[in-house]
Amino acid sequence: AQSVAQPEDQVNVAEGNPLTVKCTYSVSGNPYLFWYVQYPNRGLQFLLKYITGDNLVKGSYGFEAEFNKSQTSFHLKKPSALVSDSALYFCAVMGGNEKLTFGTGTRLTIIP
Amino acid sequence: GAVVSQHPSRVICKSGTSVKIECRSLDFQATTMFWYRQFPKQSLMLMATSNEGSKATYEQGVEKDKFLINHASLTLSTLTVTSAHPEDSSFYICSATGAREAFFGQGTRLTVV
Repeated sequence: AQSVAQPEDQVNVAEGNPLTVKCTYSVSGNPYLFWYVQYPNRGLQFLLKYITGDNLVKGSYGFEAEFNKSQTSFHLKKPSALVSDSALYFCAVMGGNEKLTFGTGTRLTIIP
Repeated sequence: GAVVSQHPSRVICKSGTSVKIECRSLDFQATTMFWYRQFPKQSLMLMATSNEGSKATYEQGVEKDKFLINHASLTLSTLTVTSAHPEDSSFYICSATGAREAFFGQGTRLTVV
C-alpha cells in the first residue's frame, strides 16, 4: 500500500524568508509524486509533480520540490515566501491505478 | 492543463432529500474519475472510483447505497447523496486523471439542515 506523511500540521514563515514543507512517501515501484495547494472552500490547484528525470522539480508560483530517493522525501520549497502563499498544502503519491493518496496537509502561514 | 468543472459549488438541502453533484471533464475524455470527501481542516478522503460504463468502486466504509455514483459518459460523473443527513455535510471534490496527472474540480460545499 502507498502512503504519504506530512509531519507538520502548521508551518509559519516570515515574509521574504525561504520556506520548506516536508513530505515523505512510501510506495512500491516508481513514485509519482505531486504537490497541490488549496485555498478556503476551493478545489486543489496543481503546483508540481515528479515522474522521472531531474530530482529538482520546478512548479507554479516559484515553488520547487526536491525528490530524494534515499530518504523517500519530496519536500516543497520556495526561496522567498509571499503572504499570498498562505494556504493548505497537500503532498500526494499516485499508484499504478492512477489513484492518488494524500498526506494530511500542512497549513502554511506567511507572516508579514 | 485540463479543466474539470464541478457543479454546484454550494448547496443547502433539507434532511431526507437527495442532492446530485456533477463533475465534468471539459477538454479531455476521462475513463476514470475519483470522488473525495474533505472534513474541516482535514485531508481528502477517497470515497470511490468512478469508471465509465461500469459500476463504481467504493472505498471501505463508504456506503454505496447512500453515495450513488454514475459515470455514463467519458466527460461526466455524478455523485448523488441520497436521504441526506446533517452528518453528510462536507466538502466534496472530484478529480479526473489521465497521463499520470490529476485534475480537480472546484469542490462542492454541502450543508444538510
